[in-house]
This record gives sequence, C-alpha cells and structure tokens, in this order.
Amino acid sequence: GAGVSQSPRYKVAKRGQDVALRCDPISGHVSLFWYQQALGQGPEFLTYFQNEAQLDKSGLPSDRFFAERPEGSVSTLKIQRTQQEDSAVYLCASSLEASGSGGTQYFGPGTRLLVL
Amino acid sequence: QKEVEQNSGPLSVPEGAIASLNCTYSDRGSQSFFWYRQYSGKSPELIMSIYSNGDKEDGRFTAQLNKASQYVSLLIRDSQPSDSATYLCAVNMFRAAGNKLTFGGGTRVLVKP
Repeated sequence: GAGVSQSPRYKVAKRGQDVALRCDPISGHVSLFWYQQALGQGPEFLTYFQNEAQLDKSGLPSDRFFAERPEGSVSTLKIQRTQQEDSAVYLCASSLEASGSGGTQYFGPGTRLLVL
Repeated sequence: QKEVEQNSGPLSVPEGAIASLNCTYSDRGSQSFFWYRQYSGKSPELIMSIYSNGDKEDGRFTAQLNKASQYVSLLIRDSQPSDSATYLCAVNMFRAAGNKLTFGGGTRVLVKP
C-alpha cells in the first residue's frame, strides 16, 4: 500500500523567501508529526496533529514556522522568511493510533530544504 | 545531558559478527522504545519496537530493554554489508503529549566484508 509521501523532495530557497512543504499521510492515520533533521543529527520534533487538531507545537523553532492539517489528512508546513539555519531535512510521519498509545510512526521520504 | 543518548560511532563490525548498539534515556517513566534504521539520504525505517523489560527478537535483530537502568539496546546478528547505516534510538517519553518521539543522535554502523 501507499506510504507517507512528501513534496517537494528538494527545495532551494533564497534567504527571506517563504516555502511550503506538503505531507500526505497513510490513509486513515489519525496522528501526523513533523520533524526536522539537521545533517548528522537525529530528527527533532516540531509539531503534532491528531486529525485536524494541532495538539502540540512546542517544537516549532520560531513564529516563522506554521503548520496546518485542515481536513485531517494532508498537512502543510510553512516557513516564512527563510533563514540559512532552516536548512535541513523536514520529515513527516503518520501513525494509525491517537494520542497516548505509543503507536508506530511511519516516515515519509522527507523534503530537503537548502536556504541560500 | 541529552534526553536520549547514543554513541555516534562509527561502529565497525566484520561481516558475520554481532553489532551491539546502546541507548540511554533520561525520562524514567517512558513506555515505548523504537529502533529505526536510516540509510544515507533516506528517511528512517522502523526495525523494532519494544515496550516491556527483557528481550524481543525479530530475525537477526534483538532489542533489549531495561527500564530500571533506563537502557535499551539493539543487537544485529550475522551482520551484513547491507546493515551499514545509521541506527536511531527513539523514545516516546512519558511526559510527552501525544506520541512524539525523542531521538538520539544515531549510531553509524559500518559492516566490512
């Protein structure tokens, strides 16, 4: 079956430009997560949705980062006025279960963002 | 101190040998533990999940959990060159809202033919 998909796979942005990254989770998955992975490091949590509700956005590094999942399926991570330190791989993951059950997360291929 | 700690490696292992990877975590109440494999330029792929103290085996992989020592490990038996990758330890911390995972920095494993 189809896994988690993300687009674009690669994005080059000039500093100050706005970008939007898309995630299509596995069909029927309730939970959706965004992570940021810098080169040579483990992924770091950004934000979490249960259906359309954003239940945790504690990992978003600044108010330039915004995420939404308006219909409880596709999610978009938007970064405004990109900075060089935003360069990273942005990973989306989905999980069948809702909050609190420790369910398995399945990762998409990621979007590699380079800010020049 | 990081919440989830791993030795960054590289861990060099001869083909056919056992690779032993370790991970410690800070939140004593954590309940769910995962090992992901990540090839260079690819996304993390789940290998094992473990929730109870003791060992859990799946093919050539064995995960070991000791909650009292706040320690989780992964053994790879009969290591193959295709096992060369970075292995990420991830913990669903008790105090975390939802199921968000806290990752270690990963251990790079090199299996030499």
